[in-house]
Amino acid sequence: AQSVTQLGSHVSVSEGALVLLRCNYSSSVPPYLFWYVQYPNQGLQLLLKYTTGATLVKGINGFEAEFKKSETSFHLTKPSAHMSDAAEYFCAAPNFGNEKLTFGTGTRLTIIP
Amino acid sequence: DSGVTQTPKHLITATGQRVTLRCSPRSGDLSVYWYQQSLDQGLQFLIQYYNGEERAKGNILERFSAQQFPDLHSELNLSSLELGDSALYFCASSATGPVITGELFFGEGSRLTVL
Repeated sequence: AQSVTQLGSHVSVSEGALVLLRCNYSSSVPPYLFWYVQYPNQGLQLLLKYTTGATLVKGINGFEAEFKKSETSFHLTKPSAHMSDAAEYFCAAPNFGNEKLTFGTGTRLTIIP
Repeated sequence: DSGVTQTPKHLITATGQRVTLRCSPRSGDLSVYWYQQSLDQGLQFLIQYYNGEERAKGNILERFSAQQFPDLHSELNLSSLELGDSALYFCASSATGPVITGELFFGEGSRLTVL
């Protein structure tokens, strides 16, 4: 079954520094990959979505993710962290029937002033 | 605002009790997904409904049941509650269901505390 693994349950970066959140998918290339963000006391919202054929995907709030088939990875980056980026981030992929999304365990991002 | 409405936002109840969580999807969305979020289990998919029919089932306990009504709102029923059922329950809807090709829109969740 398709699954995603997020390395690092907590990541701290200084304001203005590069943000790198890691996600690896488990098996054959999924047709879609997603990054969602959850701000405190809120539901999840979509940051960006990968579709087959893309390599670099741009999302909202300056985030982007690079799909690397050779590394089965879909890491999320942002060149310069802002205090408002503090949140929990989830990588997700659909199962093979595309009828449900499987989420990673999440990475809590803390921004140090 | 995602357009998905969940009620109640908070619920405190005792072990052995039964509760119902309600979800109104975005206007026009036929698919509804239920997820459970807890500290130890993370985000777990429970069940999907599409236009009133169950389409996919995940790690949903037998004590839990759900349905989607003709007006497309959905309810998640949790019975014989245990302490371990304390969690945040999310509902999401999608315009591209029943297969996922696009964004899921999440409500703000219903936080259930079982004492």
